[in-house]
Amino acid sequence: DAKTTQPPSMDCAEGRAANLPCNHSTISGNEYVYWYRQIHSQGPQYIIHGLKNNETNEMASLIITEDRKSSTLILPHATLRDTAVYYCIVRLGLELSFGAGTTVTVRA
Amino acid sequence: EAGVVQSPRYKIIEKKQPVAFWCNPISGHNTLYWYLQNLGQGPELLIRYENEEAVDDSQLPKDRFSAERLKGVDSTLKIQPAELGDSAVYLCASSLAVMGHSSGANVLTFGAGSRLTVL
Repeated sequence: DAKTTQPPSMDCAEGRAANLPCNHSTISGNEYVYWYRQIHSQGPQYIIHGLKNNETNEMASLIITEDRKSSTLILPHATLRDTAVYYCIVRLGLELSFGAGTTVTVRA
Repeated sequence: EAGVVQSPRYKIIEKKQPVAFWCNPISGHNTLYWYLQNLGQGPELLIRYENEEAVDDSQLPKDRFSAERLKGVDSTLKIQPAELGDSAVYLCASSLAVMGHSSGANVLTFGAGSRLTVL
């Protein structure tokens, strides 16, 4: 699997957009980029995934650079309930390998 | 839809005692996973099932851990005997994967986890 690098923590203001970076410089051509988040005392929750194109759903947007070596997860209007650990995972196939993730704290 | 259901949510036992965790995946999901999550770390895969077959158990400590998925639906994870270092959250996840194909996206749905404390 391609290794990912994320900042250990970040803060954002409630109501503002949160931009979460992820570096995956060793990604191979068919590997997907997945984002999950884990709210305290819950299991990881799927957010979004993409291969080459930018993706958007009701939770977030995923921006993947043209060379696919990095990506950004965008939470358009962060709320207090978005406080969680966010995991960026690069994987081809059926198993996901989680790193330490980014602890995002949304502040009022 | 109930999602992935795990029980118990919390379990406290003394070391050397046995413990078992149960997982009911999303209906129709053919692939089931057990992950271990230590405090402050990301989940680590223990075992993956495709239907009733364990296809990747390389990270499962087989001296004390065992798992089964009878009839390709529910699964149990057992630890016997438990050690202090086994204190962690045990997560179950399921997905609908195309069998025999490792390409393509595969979205996992996780349960809430079972938190084990070994005293």
